[in-house]
Amino acid sequence: AQKVTQAQTEISVVEKEDVTLDCVYETRDTTYYLFWYKQPPSGELVFLIRRNSFDEQNEISGRYSWNFQKSTSSFNFTITASQVVDSAVYFCALSRWYNQGGKLIFGQGTELSVKP
Amino acid sequence: KAGVTQTPRYLIKTRGQQVTLSCSPISGHRSVSWYQQTPGQGLQFLFEYFSETQRNKGNFPGRFSGRQFSNSRSEMNVSTLELGDSALYLCASSERGNSPLHFGNGTRLTVT
Repeated sequence: AQKVTQAQTEISVVEKEDVTLDCVYETRDTTYYLFWYKQPPSGELVFLIRRNSFDEQNEISGRYSWNFQKSTSSFNFTITASQVVDSAVYFCALSRWYNQGGKLIFGQGTELSVKP
Repeated sequence: KAGVTQTPRYLIKTRGQQVTLSCSPISGHRSVSWYQQTPGQGLQFLFEYFSETQRNKGNFPGRFSGRQFSNSRSEMNVSTLELGDSALYLCASSERGNSPLHFGNGTRLTVT
């Protein structure tokens, strides 16, 4: 069975602090995809990144960076110099490799609050 | 390009009624997926349609059904509503299998 665990339910930081959101996953598949989505108060889930299981290179996009470690089944997300606009619920998700792209297994989400 | 559009945004229904939710995917996207989001269960996959065929189905009772039209628009139906069906229903579209999902704003259903 597939499972995604986001142990941090809520995180509160002050603006400009760095913050890391943890994600641990379980799967028996050797090939799979991992995702991060952001859900602002408006409700829409915003796609942030997709990583396939072959690619363990860390990725950086502006203030966002992702650390994928297959050995520990983790896919952590770091926001550098956080801003108030980063306040949202962040979801980590997992999908199978082939023809299961529409079916994501989501973690419970981490609510990030960035205070000015 | 316009994003994924879901209508209506809010719905209030009474227990025992049925409801139909609508989703228009991003132009060119052939896959549409539906999710239910509740505080207790989080985000759960309902089903996925691709080229008018149901490709994947989650663990929901038969009261939850869906369909996709030739223009890729999709509808989801819930019959004999229960209080526990109160949730945010999210629709997502993608170009093809394994492309990233793009979500709509959701329909918030309240069952009284």
